[in-house]
Amino acid sequence: GAVVSQHPSRVICKSGTSVKIECRSLDFQATTMFWYRQFPKKSLMLMATSNEGSKATYEQGVEKDKFLINHASLTLSTLTVTSAHPEDSSFYICSASTITGYEQYFGPGTRLTVT
Amino acid sequence: AQSVTQPDIHITVSEGASLELRCNYSYGATPYLFWYVQSPGQGLQLLLKYFSGDTLVQGIKGFEAEFKRSQSSFNLRKPSVHWSDAAEYFCAVGMDSSYKLIFGSGTRLLVRP
Repeated sequence: GAVVSQHPSRVICKSGTSVKIECRSLDFQATTMFWYRQFPKKSLMLMATSNEGSKATYEQGVEKDKFLINHASLTLSTLTVTSAHPEDSSFYICSASTITGYEQYFGPGTRLTVT
Repeated sequence: AQSVTQPDIHITVSEGASLELRCNYSYGATPYLFWYVQSPGQGLQLLLKYFSGDTLVQGIKGFEAEFKRSQSSFNLRKPSVHWSDAAEYFCAVGMDSSYKLIFGSGTRLLVRP
């Protein structure tokens, strides 16, 4: 149980285009979803927290107009990287938690490369 | 400020040897504590967690961790390491009602044959 999927697993896009990453909880309802960014050989940096049906809460320094997060249902959240640039290239990981709170279940990650 | 420290960037052990990965946190109350493992290019898998109760917790894959309040530590241990344990290990702490986790910087485990 508690499986989280991400799609796509890898994406390459041209600079200036937008990319959407999906995060789905497959067998449970995710009250809260989290989006992280991980640089090579680094820890996870929390980008934003989203609750179903409400606006995402972004961490300090994360541009909300660049990283659009939607959490339209209890099983799906999306992260759209708008007008992507090479510096946005990274490994993006989502996680989901239930109403009980702290335990987060992580997706397999999405490798974004912007050329 | 709240923080999580994993002092060892890399640890190398021989297969069959015991392992201890260190994790310390800075927080005024008892936090929620987690250990995750990440294989290259993959997401994170939960090894074990501590919310309350018995301070020695058992996890998957033969791992255990002990919460020591006096030392603000939650060290991960395994009595006999297998080659498949080579990965990145992250300690994470939940410290407030936001349900956000703060991650340590990670420890990369290398296993010698």
